[in-house]
Amino acid sequence: TQLLEQSPQFLSIQEGENLTVYCNSSSVFSSLQWYRQEPGEGPVLLVTVVTGGEVKKLKRLTFQFGDARKDSSLHITAAQPGDTGLYLCAGERITGNQFYFGTGTSLTVIP
Amino acid sequence: DTAVSQTPKYLVTQMGNDKSIKCEQNLGHDTMYWYKQDSKKFLKIMFSYNNKELIINETVPNRFSPKSPDKAHLNLHINSLELGDSAVYFCASSPLWFSGNEQYFGPGTRLTVT
Repeated sequence: TQLLEQSPQFLSIQEGENLTVYCNSSSVFSSLQWYRQEPGEGPVLLVTVVTGGEVKKLKRLTFQFGDARKDSSLHITAAQPGDTGLYLCAGERITGNQFYFGTGTSLTVIP
Repeated sequence: DTAVSQTPKYLVTQMGNDKSIKCEQNLGHDTMYWYKQDSKKFLKIMFSYNNKELIINETVPNRFSPKSPDKAHLNLHINSLELGDSAVYFCASSPLWFSGNEQYFGPGTRLTVT
């Protein structure tokens, strides 16, 4: 079991549909980040959430940090083929000096 | 101009060999990292390093060692390569230790050990 568990692991949807990806842990994090990784490239940061309950929007993407800072979600509205990729949550646990990535969610948006 | 670059992009080698992967960042960041991404796409930090401190993930075999000739470079040396070392290795950098800072990743080096 990894420290940050994402669900679902794989997601294949039609263009225009909505979706939510979850990132859960039993540990408290000082902040959580969401990255997107495309094949053959390194992850690219989408957003950082710091405050419990925080909601951030990036165009059609909405990110939320749980009140207890143990979980986060990513919601995509009206998905487009360009949203296809591997979505990774990541964060620094509040205790210790270690950084963890989530297990990843591979999203495919079919035109 | 590439922010974080790695060489080589692909590395195929035999068991028992010693190899190095180079990483350079031109962002002026103080902290650099090495990550390993396995076949299931799981990213795990191996090292985090700035000019003052090296933090090693305790699960990393001591066959792996980071070497930093200067603040802009953090190379990864691997001795006595094993089949299980096959993975994609990513270098990254950030202005400071994690603390919510954005990490900038290189394009990755796909290592295949035969």
